[in-house]
Amino acid sequence: GENVEQHPSTLSVQEGDSAVIKCTYSDSASNYFPWYKQELGKGPQLIIDIRSNVGEKKDQRIAVTLNKTAKHFSLHITETQPEDSAVYFCAASNAQGAQKLVFGQGTRLTINP
Amino acid sequence: SAVISQKPSRDICQRGTSLTIQCQVDSQVTMMFWYRQQPGQSLTLIATANQGSEATYESGFVIDKFPISRPNLTFSTLTVSNMSPEDSSIYLCSAETGSRGTEAFFGQGTRLTVV
Repeated sequence: GENVEQHPSTLSVQEGDSAVIKCTYSDSASNYFPWYKQELGKGPQLIIDIRSNVGEKKDQRIAVTLNKTAKHFSLHITETQPEDSAVYFCAASNAQGAQKLVFGQGTRLTINP
Repeated sequence: SAVISQKPSRDICQRGTSLTIQCQVDSQVTMMFWYRQQPGQSLTLIATANQGSEATYESGFVIDKFPISRPNLTFSTLTVSNMSPEDSSIYLCSAETGSRGTEAFFGQGTRLTVV
C-alpha cells in the first residue's frame, strides 16, 4: 500500500522568511496530493492540492510542487506570518479524488516574530 | 468548501461503554470517511461510508468495534464500541465535496478520552 514520508517533523522560521515542507510517496499510481493545516483543537483544513497532471500550483503565498519521477512533492510558504504557525500534513491518494488519503506524519511549523 | 459538523466535540467515557459520534454535512455528498488521530500523531483512515451500502473498513479496523451508519447523503455516525483506554483519540469525519467534488473536507473532530 501507499506510504507517505514527511520532513521535517518540526520547523521554526523567522516571520517573513520562507518555509518548505517535503513529502515522498511510494505508490507510483498516486494521483492526488493535498496539503492540510491543523490548528490546535481543530480539524484539518485543506489549504492547497495538486493532481498528477500538474507540476506546480500556487495560491497567493502558498505553492506546491510535484515531481512524479522522483515521487516527491513539497509545500512552500513565502512571507510567513505568525498565523501560519500550525501542524501541516501532506497526503496522497491513488483513487479518484480524495478517497483513501494516506497522510504523512505532520510538520509542526512555528513562526517566530 | 463544505461545512462539516461533528457531535460531541469531546467526551470522557468509562471503559466497556460505547460512544456514537455524529457527523452532519451541509450538502449532499456521495462519500464520507472516518479517520482516527491519536494524540500528536497523523491521521489514519478507519472506513469509507457510502449511502445505501455497507461501510468499507481499512486493515486493522473491524465493523464490530467501529460500526458505521450512513442513512442519507448528509449524515453519518461512527460508534466506538466496548471502549478501552487505547481508544482515546480524536475521531474525524470527512466528506468528499468541494467545487470539483473531489476534495476532502474535515469536521472539527471528537476528542475521546476513555478512563
